[in-house]
Amino acid sequence: ETGVTQTPRHLVMGMTNKKSLKCEQHLGHNAMYWYKQSAKKPLELMFVYNFKEQTENNSVPSRFSPECPNSSHLFLHLHTLQPEDSALYLCASSQESGGTVSYEQYFGPGTRLTVT
Amino acid sequence: AQTVTQSQPEMSVQEAETVTLSCTYDTSESDYYLFWYKQPPSRQMILVIRQEAYKQQNATENRFSVNFQKAAKSFSLKISDSQLGDAAMYFCAYRKANTNAGKSTFGDGTTLTVKP
Repeated sequence: ETGVTQTPRHLVMGMTNKKSLKCEQHLGHNAMYWYKQSAKKPLELMFVYNFKEQTENNSVPSRFSPECPNSSHLFLHLHTLQPEDSALYLCASSQESGGTVSYEQYFGPGTRLTVT
Repeated sequence: AQTVTQSQPEMSVQEAETVTLSCTYDTSESDYYLFWYKQPPSRQMILVIRQEAYKQQNATENRFSVNFQKAAKSFSLKISDSQLGDAAMYFCAYRKANTNAGKSTFGDGTTLTVKP
């Protein structure tokens, strides 16, 4: 695998379900991100992790719970979601310090989430 | 807070012609990076071009070039010899340099249509 991978690519869940989104980066980066992309809405930053520490929580509802066990993996745990949470969830990574710092973000293909 | 504005929600261009996408930003910082990302339909977002604010020379990448006007806080993307594969949503992004926060600010995006 290369770049940034996300699983599953598509997810349909009911409002009472619990599910998790997984992101893995194979680039040796030290920062990872979750974004929400809705139709007709701008890209919304949800969470930022830098060296496994959460450095940004953009007022995200508690029904979204991130987890970053190491600098290569990022999870987004979902529970009791609402229909308006249906969106494309994008994961990204970047090199923020040490080595070659470029600040550019590498994105995964996204998980298309539908909440019914 | 930094803001990024893309004033053109949609643009279209004839194949082989040139198109310019606009982006303006607001910041009080002097050292930062600017990016253009491309998100083709149902495909991953990828970096198109990057500009470092301390560099006066405009960045170029093959058919893609920018017009960076630091004083005016303008960062437009020019696509020359447009191809059908250039059809995508284009996002302009800003990132403050020399921080480990990892946060980039994205514009709302411009959807580019390429007509054969």
